[in-house]
Amino acid sequence: RKEVEQDPGPFNVPEGATVAFNCTYSNSASQSFFWYRQDCRKEPKLLMSVYSSGNEDGRFTAQLNRASQYISLLIRDSKLSDSATYLCVVNQDSWGKFQFGAGTQVVVTP
Amino acid sequence: GAVVSQHPSRVICKSGTSVKIECRSLDFQATTMFWYRQFPKQSLMLMATSNEGSKATYEQGVEKDKFLINHASLTLSTLTVTSAHPEDSSFYICSATGTGRSDEQFFGPGTRLTVL
Repeated sequence: RKEVEQDPGPFNVPEGATVAFNCTYSNSASQSFFWYRQDCRKEPKLLMSVYSSGNEDGRFTAQLNRASQYISLLIRDSKLSDSATYLCVVNQDSWGKFQFGAGTQVVVTP
Repeated sequence: GAVVSQHPSRVICKSGTSVKIECRSLDFQATTMFWYRQFPKQSLMLMATSNEGSKATYEQGVEKDKFLINHASLTLSTLTVTSAHPEDSSFYICSATGTGRSDEQFFGPGTRLTVL
């Protein structure tokens, strides 16, 4: 079983719609959680950290469920520019060793 | 945010040659740098972790004699792919964490290596 698993998608989303997807992690000792965005042939860029209480940044909402060991990302009012692969990242130790999911592809269509 | 650069951004080389990739933190001191490899449509795979002034820690399955990592200063780490083969063709990305901020990594723009 992979340590971090994501639905690869693609999630085809009409512009203006809402899309949500999850990421599960296997290590219950995981400490920090992030969503990164990666555009084709580019490096990952931090989208947002995920806090225990859930957090929102504009149209993006992230949630953490420690009991079920998953995090989620919801995108409201999707824009064409939201088309990308969203990487779930879990930090398992204090040395910053990240485990990446394979990514969920989101395609926003006009 | 912090800036990490990589050089070169793209390299094409012949099989059997060695390629050096540089990763620099431009506006902060990187206590730890990470090297990742990403094949098409796959996740980033951590290759090794390097701390300034000490030997890199390699992940299982990564040959340390083939992927030489040097972290000579707090702003520079290099990855040398020795005797490159076509199967080494990949996207190599470095990231860095700063002092006291191990939970946030800053990624370089990546280096696309093609071995003919």
